[in-house]
Amino acid sequence: GESVGLHLPTLSVQEGDNSIINCAYSNSASDYFIWYKQESGKGPQFIIDIRSNMDKRQGQRVTVLLNKTVKHLSLQIAATQPGDSAVYFCAESSTSGTYKYIFGTGTRLKVLA
Amino acid sequence: DTEVTQTPKHLVMGMTNKKSLKCEQHMGHRAMYWYKQKAKKPPELMFVYSYEKLSINESVPSRFSPECPNSSLLNLHLHALQPEDSALYLCASSQGRQEETQYFGPGTRLLVL
Repeated sequence: GESVGLHLPTLSVQEGDNSIINCAYSNSASDYFIWYKQESGKGPQFIIDIRSNMDKRQGQRVTVLLNKTVKHLSLQIAATQPGDSAVYFCAESSTSGTYKYIFGTGTRLKVLA
Repeated sequence: DTEVTQTPKHLVMGMTNKKSLKCEQHMGHRAMYWYKQKAKKPPELMFVYSYEKLSINESVPSRFSPECPNSSLLNLHLHALQPEDSALYLCASSQGRQEETQYFGPGTRLLVL
């Protein structure tokens, strides 16, 4: 079936290093992708999104890359900080459909001091 | 302002109780969502309201009853729940047809005894 998956359930990085969180998707009709950060005990927080007519989008310390050829999405966090420790979810949707999100399984990012 | 508020933050209820979860947003969003999230899992969609009408029910058991009194408020009425219904219940909103980004509230942590 259609799914959005992640390669690594847990990612540990040293403080100050760059982090890369990956996500694979299988629905070729998806044209909107979004990353959320969820800290313990809190709701998902919007980080950055990208539409299928783009392959890269940058925010503050974060960059999302979209490779439609291999159906791959990644989130890059520059100069990772302790406050970046959280679970990160990718999600996909088709804007021509019902706007339902298909979430990935999540990656826990641990920042080591 | 991208704030979605939810009350209560925590709720403990017995299987014979009736309780309600509340969600509010003042961003002028016309789509509102209820999600259920179990530990270490991504959010699972339960219901979607679009322009105050129920547009998606993901085959949720009738012991969960959503209500959208107006465009800013969303309720989830709970009755005769089971222990396996214990989870984090998340509310989200989005602008509607022309805007896909869903903004989440902090959630209500529900424990059914």
